[in-house]
Amino acid sequence: SAVISQKPSRDICQRGTSLTIQCQVDSQVTMMFWYRQQPGQSLTLIATANQGSEATYESGFVIDKFPISRPNLTFSTLTVSNMSPEDSSIYLCSVEFGTGGFYEQYFGPGTRLTVT
Amino acid sequence: SQQGEEDPQALSIQEGENATMNCSYKTSINNLQWYRQNSGRGLVHLILIRSNEREKHSGRLRVTLDTSKKSSSLLITASRAADTASYFCATVAFGNQGGKLIFGQGTELSVKP
Repeated sequence: SAVISQKPSRDICQRGTSLTIQCQVDSQVTMMFWYRQQPGQSLTLIATANQGSEATYESGFVIDKFPISRPNLTFSTLTVSNMSPEDSSIYLCSVEFGTGGFYEQYFGPGTRLTVT
Repeated sequence: SQQGEEDPQALSIQEGENATMNCSYKTSINNLQWYRQNSGRGLVHLILIRSNEREKHSGRLRVTLDTSKKSSSLLITASRAADTASYFCATVAFGNQGGKLIFGQGTELSVKP
């Protein structure tokens, strides 16, 4: 397992601005994942971030809107760019651990973003 | 798109009662996992059941998997007020070992003392 922290824990931002969310893991991991959870909804994967390569984005999410950095094996950032009220969500990072071909994901505490 | 449907969407029970939540999914899977989320915070992994397993236990949790019906259930026995949370199932697609989790819509469980 892993201890995962996120900064900030919450923020209120003006529309049109950008916010960068940090995710720190206490051990080295190959892949990190970023999810969005809109109010009252389930989680949707935004992208997968591998160290040393470009992030892989899911359908409906683009790099210009959600640029991701992965400078080393314990850290990643997600930026929410040019924000609108529709971006108000909880953003969560996760990492996976497992053996024998079966992996569980461990999540950070989330960043609650409100865009006004 | 979301893989799974969960029912009920909300469940309210008394302490000591059992809670059963169901999850259905659409495509073949490698495994199915259940997570708990307290008050919009981070998710906690509860249990993973492989596609070739039919039942798994962990403490007060019992998970079943029926791949022919593409469904799973989570049973919490002797519930406690501290079990109040949202519960999500999530699947890993067949052919993948890990990576992308596709989440169901979740069941909001309220356990009254």
